[in-house]
Amino acid sequence: KQEVTQIPAALSVPEGENLVLNCSFTDSAIYNLQWFRQDPGKGLTSLLLIQSSQREQTSGRLNASLDKSSGRSTLYIAASQPGDSATYLCAVPGGATNKLIFGTGTLLAVQP
Amino acid sequence: GAVVSQHPSWVICKSGTSVKIECRSLDFQATTMFWYRQFPKQSLMLMATSNEGSKATYEQGVEKDKFLINHASLTLSTLTVTSAHPEDSSFYICSARGDRHNQPQHFGDGTRLSIL
Repeated sequence: KQEVTQIPAALSVPEGENLVLNCSFTDSAIYNLQWFRQDPGKGLTSLLLIQSSQREQTSGRLNASLDKSSGRSTLYIAASQPGDSATYLCAVPGGATNKLIFGTGTLLAVQP
Repeated sequence: GAVVSQHPSWVICKSGTSVKIECRSLDFQATTMFWYRQFPKQSLMLMATSNEGSKATYEQGVEKDKFLINHASLTLSTLTVTSAHPEDSSFYICSARGDRHNQPQHFGDGTRLSIL
């Protein structure tokens, strides 16, 4: 059974810092891995999708890496801003229907 | 990019009422749609998976007669919470995906359901 874990559960940094969020999964047989952002009371915004054949994906100040063999992914946020404050979730498809299995989330607060 | 619209965004109603939530894919065909439930400060919990034109597959512990799902077209799925009670109050989120398993899921903005 696939399990997805995120560390840390919460993180507070001053504006301008670079930071790394971690995601680990127990079953390396995945199609892809997705990173999402969720603002309070809102739905999910997809940030990056990494296919299993890829090592990393970049979008603006965000860079996500994937190491399938070790069951790990990282989300790197450069030059953090207060607007980056949100909960960040990683997810991998699993099961017969490839439903998304979500990590526990990291609550990020960027202090101005 | 792909857009999923969920309606309503917020509903408050009396106990015993049935509530319907709509999930629409606006610019792509959603072969598969997913319905999630989220309690405060917790991650998303999948309730059911629906494929266009067929019956939904419910996760263990989710009452299919309580949470009715219809996916009649490639752009619309509905979740009806029947005879809702206060314990059904939660944040419900839908997502939609195309016809390949390695495609990303695109999420709606969620529906806050409050049962008095």
